[in-house]
Amino acid sequence: EAQVTQNPRYLITVTGKKLTVTCSQNMNHEYMSWYRQDPGLGLRQIYYSMNVEVTDKGDVPEGYKVSRKEKRNFPLILESPSPNQTSLYFCASGRPGRGSSDTQYFGPGTRLTVL
Amino acid sequence: AQKITQTQPGMFVQEKEAVTLDCTYDTSDPSYGLFWYKQPSSGEMIFLIYQGSYDQQNATEGRYSLNFQKARKSANLVISASQLGDSAMYFCAMSPLPNRDDKIIFGKGTRLHILP
Repeated sequence: EAQVTQNPRYLITVTGKKLTVTCSQNMNHEYMSWYRQDPGLGLRQIYYSMNVEVTDKGDVPEGYKVSRKEKRNFPLILESPSPNQTSLYFCASGRPGRGSSDTQYFGPGTRLTVL
Repeated sequence: AQKITQTQPGMFVQEKEAVTLDCTYDTSDPSYGLFWYKQPSSGEMIFLIYQGSYDQQNATEGRYSLNFQKARKSANLVISASQLGDSAMYFCAMSPLPNRDDKIIFGKGTRLHILP
């Protein structure tokens, strides 16, 4: 079964405490990406990766880091979280129009609150 | 810069009727892809349909079709024979095609309500 796994699903943390949101896919997709969703702003892409060791900035990369050391995993790292990073985060795998992937799967989302 | 506009913040449609959700875009890229996504009230994001700007025919996927009018820069989503389960937020998105900057940008969404 095609699956994108995100952990944790919910996280409340404090300003400045480093955190990592993990994302893993089992479809051998080359393309993976991270988004944040905020009320009134829709979804905005944070980072994307077109393959192992290839990552690039999306629209709102400030305050975030990613890594792609292996194909299945694409963690999102907040080195020093701030309250304006309180949001709903989605990881996605696959990208129609690129390579062999004709669809895109999303993880269940991570609701992050930074106090 | 690329831009996606969804002008309908909300729509109410009677069950079994067809629905058209509007999406217009602006880009200077010669090739690009257009996407539609669904987000039910439960919160998950679901990819629905994709159209490449070079595709000769409009994309279809079950009850979903993408009415792509390149000259008008529109990529409307058509849902045939709407069902109660179609009530959700719908997002249009676009991206330049591969081998270039591969960002995906989204519109702000349209909330669709299907009435019984």
